[in-house]
Amino acid sequence: DVKVTQSSRYLVKRTGEKVFLECVQDMDHENMFWYRQDPGLGLRLIYFSYDVKMKEKGDIPEGYSVSREKKERFSLILESASTNQTSMYLCASSSEAEQFFGPGTRLTVL
Amino acid sequence: GEDVEQSLFLSVREGDSSVINCTYTDSSSTYLYWYKQEPGAGLQLLTYIFSNMDMKQDQRLTVLLNKKDKHLSLRIADTQTGDSAIYFCATVTSGNTPLVFGKGTRLSVIA
Repeated sequence: DVKVTQSSRYLVKRTGEKVFLECVQDMDHENMFWYRQDPGLGLRLIYFSYDVKMKEKGDIPEGYSVSREKKERFSLILESASTNQTSMYLCASSSEAEQFFGPGTRLTVL
Repeated sequence: GEDVEQSLFLSVREGDSSVINCTYTDSSSTYLYWYKQEPGAGLQLLTYIFSNMDMKQDQRLTVLLNKKDKHLSLRIADTQTGDSAIYFCATVTSGNTPLVFGKGTRLSVIA
């Protein structure tokens, strides 16, 4: 079975902190994605990556950056966390036809 | 850009069939998906259909695709309380483009 894991299920940070969200997949997928999910807004794509060291902006990249140094790992970075970044963050990886999600990280910024 | 629309809520009685509908705008969609999300969890891939198919059945789940009307539906037979969740429709045009998701339909199953 495909496994996508995220480093934390719940995270609480303070405004201005630098936050790292880690995602690891074990299926040798080329493509990896970061979304945030908010009530009433559905899933919104933040960044995605087609290959190591490659990254593409999604719909809402402002305030975020990403890193993909190894194929299996895709990190989302909040350089200076703000309260409006309180959300559920979902990582996914995909093959040609199937995209699989991790369990999500619920981030609260105080 | 591509748009995927779903109704927000559906309520059914336990044992009845549920039908969740989705419409999309991009006629070049190659794969169309249904995901399930339980409270506090990530999205679980339920099933998907290739655009050259009209129907796909997998146990209690039946997916119907009407390409002419750009309409996708998910039928859940004998709906159980464990089926209560949010169901997301999604489409993709090629393997290297991101999926486009609807906002999800919250299915409530009444015992």
